[in-house]
Amino acid sequence: DAGVTQSPTHLIKTRGQHVTLRCSPISGHKSVSWYQQVLGQGPQFIFQYYEKEERGRGNFPDRFSARQFPNYSSELNVNALLLGDSALYLCASSPTSGGPIDEQFFGPGTRLTVL
Amino acid sequence: AQKVTQAQTEISVVEKEDVTLDCVYETRDTTYYLFWYKQPPSGELVFLIRRNSFDEQNEISGRYSWNFQKSTSSFNFTITASQVVDSAVYFCALSEFTTSGTYKYIFGTGTRLKVLA
Repeated sequence: DAGVTQSPTHLIKTRGQHVTLRCSPISGHKSVSWYQQVLGQGPQFIFQYYEKEERGRGNFPDRFSARQFPNYSSELNVNALLLGDSALYLCASSPTSGGPIDEQFFGPGTRLTVL
Repeated sequence: AQKVTQAQTEISVVEKEDVTLDCVYETRDTTYYLFWYKQPPSGELVFLIRRNSFDEQNEISGRYSWNFQKSTSSFNFTITASQVVDSAVYFCALSEFTTSGTYKYIFGTGTRLKVLA
């Protein structure tokens, strides 16, 4: 079975632009979470979605938004990009809405560079 | 505030040595979950273990073992007889419910383990 897939793999944007990152969970998984991992740091939790509803949110500004589609895939949108948004963006899926007890399966990430 | 501290930034060992990665956490909640993930050079985080706050039993899985001690708020990870393939960044993480009924994950900054042949 295919794992979590993310697109694109790499992305270069300039300050002020908008970006959309995409994630497809493992087949049968209904929950998707997004993380930001700045170089040399641990992942920072951004959002969790289950059945198209937001179930968790980290401490990120409103420039960050996400949504989940009926097929459980998800998009992460970031508006008005800042240099500090340069990071690896990770998507993780889990089979249930069990929330914090769920084992999460991570994708390879999207490397975003903001110039 | 909730926090996960991995004080060891980088550890180098020679193959077959045992190595322990430390994790100390802070939380106000009585119900929480602790995790360890491995991030190899490929970048994908790989789940290793989950432990809930009510289960303090140590666990062993092959060459891996985990020591959870609530009294010291620690959840340490030991690799026995390390191998070159163990080289990766290891993250400890904490998850807990918020007062609004949602939950959040907090990762430590990671420990880079280098196993030398």
